[in-house]
Amino acid sequence: AAGVIQSPRHLIKEKRETATLKCYPIPRHDTVYWYQQGPGQDPQFLISFYEKMQSDKGSIPDRFSAQQFSDYHSELNMSSLELGDSALYFCASSFQEETQYFGPGTRLLVL
Amino acid sequence: QQQVKQSPQSLIVQKGGISIINCAYENTAFDYFPWYQQFPGKGPALLIAIRPDVSEKKEGRFTISFNKSAKQFSLHIMDSQPGDSATYFCAAISRGNTPLVFGKGTRLSVIA
Repeated sequence: AAGVIQSPRHLIKEKRETATLKCYPIPRHDTVYWYQQGPGQDPQFLISFYEKMQSDKGSIPDRFSAQQFSDYHSELNMSSLELGDSALYFCASSFQEETQYFGPGTRLLVL
Repeated sequence: QQQVKQSPQSLIVQKGGISIINCAYENTAFDYFPWYQQFPGKGPALLIAIRPDVSEKKEGRFTISFNKSAKQFSLHIMDSQPGDSATYFCAAISRGNTPLVFGKGTRLSVIA
């Protein structure tokens, strides 16, 4: 069965640089969620989109923005990167309020 | 304030034993309770989930017990195997396209 696809899988950036993470949800899924997970932490919700409209907003810094495109893929744009942004970033997708399925994640390292 | 409280933080179980992880919640708007298994560097994978109108759900070696009045639920892993060694997260979600609220996680080690 098709799963959530995330790219890139690994990313290394310098402080103050910009990064773009991409997420391709499971086909037919209408909702995309972004989570951030620090080492030894539980995933923290950042933002979500339902049918290409922002539906919920969590602890997402103002330096970050995201959108969902007409083909339902989503991108998380991160600017002015800080050392503390180093984490695993997960995308999850769901269909009509059902279970969220997670992608493999993007490991971001900010130097 | 942690909306979903999970314990223990870590757990060591002998191979073949039963692993038990407990979670508690306060928000009565939660109506779906999934458990996720996560290996290092991987994404959380759905293990099993339950709704509050059911007191128990079993899938293979994994069982969720749910106590709606106490607002508590637990995961039981029967015949625990070394391959079950991972971090387990309980989570809760309200109706609608809402985000998951996770517990802090339990690091399970199954030793031979």
